[in-house]
Amino acid sequence: NAGVTQTPKFQVLKTGQSMTLQCAQDMNHNSMYWYRQDPGMGLRLIYYSASEGTTDKGEVPNGYNVSRLNKREFSLRLESAAPSQTSVYFCASSAGTGVTDTQYFGPGTRLTVL
Amino acid sequence: QKEVEQNSGPLSVPEGAIASLNCTYSDRVSQSFFWYRQYSGKSPELIMSIYSNGDKEDGRFTAQLNKASQYVSLLIRDSQPSDSATYLCAVTHMDSNYQLIWGAGTKLIIKP
Repeated sequence: NAGVTQTPKFQVLKTGQSMTLQCAQDMNHNSMYWYRQDPGMGLRLIYYSASEGTTDKGEVPNGYNVSRLNKREFSLRLESAAPSQTSVYFCASSAGTGVTDTQYFGPGTRLTVL
Repeated sequence: QKEVEQNSGPLSVPEGAIASLNCTYSDRVSQSFFWYRQYSGKSPELIMSIYSNGDKEDGRFTAQLNKASQYVSLLIRDSQPSDSATYLCAVTHMDSNYQLIWGAGTKLIIKP
């Protein structure tokens, strides 16, 4: 039981390049989330998916797209990376569809955009 | 004004003492409150959740909620060096059933 896994762990991009961050969970959870964490700031929600086939914007969705490929997988795509997207990205999942459910986080992806 | 505020620290506490971490929030209708712990370079993990005014205890951890004053605190008794981490406060957002609003965290250092 691996929990929530993310790939890659580290990535360096040049401005304008694109990439997809992958996330998978093996806990049969319904909800999945993508956050970014910047120094001195709290976690900010980028997108979430309350169930397979649905996605919704969070607090900071601009510059990102997501795909809930199936119940296990939720990917985050940067179409044209910008230095402002340099951050640590966390994927999380929770069993139910409500905010009171415990969120389980992946190990994170540290992204640098030059 | 930030919606969830925490003192960034670092808060330095001697081993064996009580560590007290505080969090204030601006949304009066928030109903659910969470404390997550994050070790350096790692991901957050849930320690406590609290939904009603008063105290909730779990082992060495006690969460305290005062909705009238809009603050939530976390007490750690008998602090251990392994408690050294950043503690994140998260609060439900009034406009969303899915979104938490997070504080920036308080860095706690337990000195042996």
